[in-house]
Formats: sequence, structure tokens, C-alpha cells
Amino acid sequence: DSGVTQTPKHLITATGQRVTLRCSPRSGDLSVYWYQQSLDQGLQFLIQYYNGEERAKGNILERFSAQQFPDLHSELNLSSLELGDSALYFCASSVGGGRVDTQYFGPGTRLTVL
Amino acid sequence: AQKVTQAQTEISVVEKEDVTLDCVYETRDTTYYLFWYKQPPSGELVFLIRRNSFDEQNEISGRYSWNFQKSTSSFNFTITASQVVDSAVYFCALSEASLAGTASKLTFGTGTRLQVTL
Repeated sequence: DSGVTQTPKHLITATGQRVTLRCSPRSGDLSVYWYQQSLDQGLQFLIQYYNGEERAKGNILERFSAQQFPDLHSELNLSSLELGDSALYFCASSVGGGRVDTQYFGPGTRLTVL
Repeated sequence: AQKVTQAQTEISVVEKEDVTLDCVYETRDTTYYLFWYKQPPSGELVFLIRRNSFDEQNEISGRYSWNFQKSTSSFNFTITASQVVDSAVYFCALSEASLAGTASKLTFGTGTRLQVTL
């Protein structure tokens, strides 16, 4: 158990809908990262927050947005969902946010868009 | 741009065999960090090791060992006397070094699926 929690574990929804994925980092970690794992794209970095502020951005779609709250938990919002958004979404956290910090991953949220 | 290549898509071994998973990386930076993660069938990503670019000493942890060779840009992972519980997908990753301060992201390889059978 990494100490990173993600809810829900599974999510099934329809195209065009909007969903919110939630992540709580390990105690003491200030940085949260979101990754998407799909069969065709592999593991792709989406976005990083450090102590409430956005720090780095990957190939995150405009339909996707995220935020980190004062209690350091984070939410990833996915809207206007398409079939291709079906994937495993991971949240990770680290103490700091720099390249030296090890990222510890949560169990993931499996999103299925029908 | 940074890149991580894991050329072995899938490896099958019989229990107790030794197996080496290859990882080759590309980066323009002189300071960088390399990682290995394990993804068992249950799906979570488990951190195994972190190595910085200045430390080329090989590391051993139980049945696991890692060989980092800067000259060939490789960071290979060996499991000695493999066990069925080692069956998983293993990912090599490189920490983005062009971002300063509190910014970071991991670039992952495509993973190697290891199947250990009795």
C-alpha cells in the first residue's frame, strides 16, 4: 500500500458525460501527479500540482482539468467523454515536486466510457 | 525530448530462472533520475528503485539487481531465481530533467510483461 488513495476504483459512464476522479496523497506529500494508462498510448503524464499550484503539464486534453485543494487532495475532471478516454487513471504523490522525488502511485481509477 | 525504450514486450521464464529486463533511455541532460516500477495483475504501480545519473554503482536488493551503464544509456533490471509472484509488467521511467524546482514528470517505457511459470 503506497498510502495514496484514489476513488472511485471503477467508473462506467456514457459518451458526452462528465466525471470527477479524486486522489488523496500520502501524508506529508505536497505534490500530486495525474497519469493516464491506455493500451494505445501507454503511461502518459497529464499534469502536476505542487501545494495547490499547477507545476507541469503534459498532453492533457482541453476537455480535462484538474485542481489541488488546500487540504492537498486533488481532483481530475473529465468532460465530454469519448470512447477513447477509457483508460486507467493514476494519481501519484511525492514529498517535493522536483525530478529527484520518487512518485508513489495510487491504485488507479478504471474509467470505461460506453 | 526524453525517451525510454523497453524493447522486450513479453518474456516467459520458468520459475528459478534468472531474467534480465532491458531499458535504454535518451536524454540531453547531464543530471537525471531513472526509476523502475512494477505493475502486478492487480493493476497498481509499485515503486522498485530510483537511480541518479551520477551514481553508476550497481544495486542489489534481495533477488533484484540493477545495472546502470551511462556509456550505453542503459538501466537494466535482473531478477535472480524468479518466482511466480514476480509475474507482472515492469516499467522503466526517466524523470524529466528540463523542469526546474518543484516541477517534474516521468517518461515511461512501454513496459515488459514478465510471465513466470512453474
